[in-house]
Amino acid sequence: GAVVSQHPSRVICKSGTSVKIECRSLDFQATTMFWYRQFPKQSLMLMATSNEGSKATYEQGVEKDKFLINHASLTLSTLTVTSAHPEDSSFYICSASPGTSGSKETQYFGPGTRLLVL
Amino acid sequence: SQKIEQNSEALNIQEGKTATLTCNYTNYSPAYLQWYRQDPGRGPVFLLLIRENEKEKRKERLKVTFDTTLKQSLFHITASQPADSATYLCALDMGLGGNTPLVFGKGTRLSVIA
Repeated sequence: GAVVSQHPSRVICKSGTSVKIECRSLDFQATTMFWYRQFPKQSLMLMATSNEGSKATYEQGVEKDKFLINHASLTLSTLTVTSAHPEDSSFYICSASPGTSGSKETQYFGPGTRLLVL
Repeated sequence: SQKIEQNSEALNIQEGKTATLTCNYTNYSPAYLQWYRQDPGRGPVFLLLIRENEKEKRKERLKVTFDTTLKQSLFHITASQPADSATYLCALDMGLGGNTPLVFGKGTRLSVIA
């Protein structure tokens, strides 16, 4: 089946630093990728939709200047948490679908990145 | 307001029994409903997708039902095994064309006791 990878799997950083998380579709191309955030015992919450070659679409309440998304190619999207603070500590998960517009394909999720900001 | 709720945060059952998990939603009109399995510290893994015009879907020991009148989906695992212990998430897919994001419930943590 389709595989989505994330790097790093875990990161610990000091407050005020920036952290970049990569999401790659390994065996398919994805024009759209999604970034979710999950706090302990909570559901996955959509942060933004990453579109290859255009600006990301952010959900209400998500600061676009704090969570920078770059969809550089059809297989790579990056999420940069700028000036991270302890409240940004969470589990960040990306997903992608090999489907084209109009088709219905399941989404494949990355293994997640655990961010801890001290 | 829009809500998606899974019946319980945790469910414990005996090995060999059937586990039944519930997903209810309000003020949504999903075109599809999906179920995922999530293990601790891992991303969700897709299990089953059911369309709004389908009543039931099966895959090996898994069965999903979808009642758009009740706005409810039931997820069954028959002959449960300790390896089935995980958190199960339901997700609504509005099917607005192409790739659309999912709306997730909080999940139900299933523990199958040997």
